[in-house]
Amino acid sequence: KNQVEQSPQSLIILEGKNCTLQCNYTVSPFSNLRWYKQDTGRGPVSLTIMTFSENTKSNGRYTATLDADTKQSSLHITASQLSDSASYICVVTSGGSYIPTFGRGTSLIVHP
Amino acid sequence: DTEVTQTPKHLVMGMTNKKSLKCEQHMGHRAMYWYKQKAKKPPELMFVYSYEKLSINESVPSRFSPECPNSSLLNLHLHALQPEDSALYLCASSQDRTWTRTYEQYFGPGTRLTVT
Repeated sequence: KNQVEQSPQSLIILEGKNCTLQCNYTVSPFSNLRWYKQDTGRGPVSLTIMTFSENTKSNGRYTATLDADTKQSSLHITASQLSDSASYICVVTSGGSYIPTFGRGTSLIVHP
Repeated sequence: DTEVTQTPKHLVMGMTNKKSLKCEQHMGHRAMYWYKQKAKKPPELMFVYSYEKLSINESVPSRFSPECPNSSLLNLHLHALQPEDSALYLCASSQDRTWTRTYEQYFGPGTRLTVT
């Protein structure tokens, strides 16, 4: 069964600090991995999309890495801001279906 | 314009009511999606339309009835819902339904549905 596990479940950091969120998956065959940011009560917004051949992709202060061999991805947030407080969701799509598998998300709270 | 709009923003309905959720995009996308999201949970895929035809139905109860009148519009008709159907309903669109390609998927802000 395809699964996506995210850790930690929640994280509290101080403004200006860096943090890293983790995503492990068992989706096979792998096609692409996406990171989304979702503010409370709002729709998810795409941060990065990575395919098998991509190891790193950045979007401003967000940098995602992918290790397709170990089936792990991370999302690194640099110099956090209060507006980074949100849920971060990892989504993995297999090459054999059109159904994405969502992780449960990491809830990030940035305190001033 | 990369916007997906959803109306209404909030909806309260009784279990005997009939209501509809509306979603609209003008990006020329040919795939549109309905998701259901409970609090502190990830979105759950409900339906996928591709070129105005229903291509995926994730075993959703018949009290939810999707409709795609044209390539820009997606409706979700609700009838005889249960309190446990209360959730955030998200609409999304992408250029194509083939998630194996790296097409961007754009989400709307959602409709917060409460069933009393």
